[in-house]
Amino acid sequence: EVLLVESGGGLVQPGGSLRLSCAASGFTFSNYWMHWVRLGPGKGLEWVSRLNSDGSMTDYADSVKGRFTISRDNAKNTLYLQVSSLRAEDTAVYYCARAYGSGNSALSNWGQGTRVTVSS
Amino acid sequence: DIVMTQSPDSLAVSLGERATINCKSSQTVLYSSNNKNYLSWYQQKPGQPPKLLIYWASTRESGVPDRFSGSGSGTDFTLTISSLEAEDVAVYYCQQYFSTPYTFGQGTKLEIK
Repeated sequence: EVLLVESGGGLVQPGGSLRLSCAASGFTFSNYWMHWVRLGPGKGLEWVSRLNSDGSMTDYADSVKGRFTISRDNAKNTLYLQVSSLRAEDTAVYYCARAYGSGNSALSNWGQGTRVTVSS
Repeated sequence: DIVMTQSPDSLAVSLGERATINCKSSQTVLYSSNNKNYLSWYQQKPGQPPKLLIYWASTRESGVPDRFSGSGSGTDFTLTISSLEAEDVAVYYCQQYFSTPYTFGQGTKLEIK
């Protein structure tokens, strides 16, 4: 069974940083592209970032470019999202998701999410 | 960026009746070289993560009930629930994965009438 478990969220002041983690199990993590998607309060889903299987190619939403960094450790079966220079509008539940395949594909499996609250 | 627009924003349907949600993209998500539409549908219930229902615009994900179906091509797509059940109450999102940034529609809230 595919399992994705996020952690690392919390309350942080504007301008602060966090590192979100997503522990993967039940599949060969190193074969799959991975994504982060967020759901803000009262908002819809927003795609944040993606990373290819060997960690060499990244893409970001314009709203987070230059502030967020996606990475992975295939030896530890873990995906990361370093979130920095946080703003109130970054408050959201952050989900990691596994792509169905390589390249451009749908998101087949999702974690339960980790909540990030940006407030003073 | 490709803008995804869903209609309606909310929908109330009686149990056993048909529910239809529309999704329009600002540019085509049909890739001519493989004739595939890079369009997916997700269901999200309160307090739960999104669940993939449909990909390639019309391919039902494994385990998804066959009352859910997707159709359309190019820029216009539809998610249909043929006979609404109480467990289908949720917010539904379309998403294009034709190009980054992947973009979602604003969501359609489906309720029971």
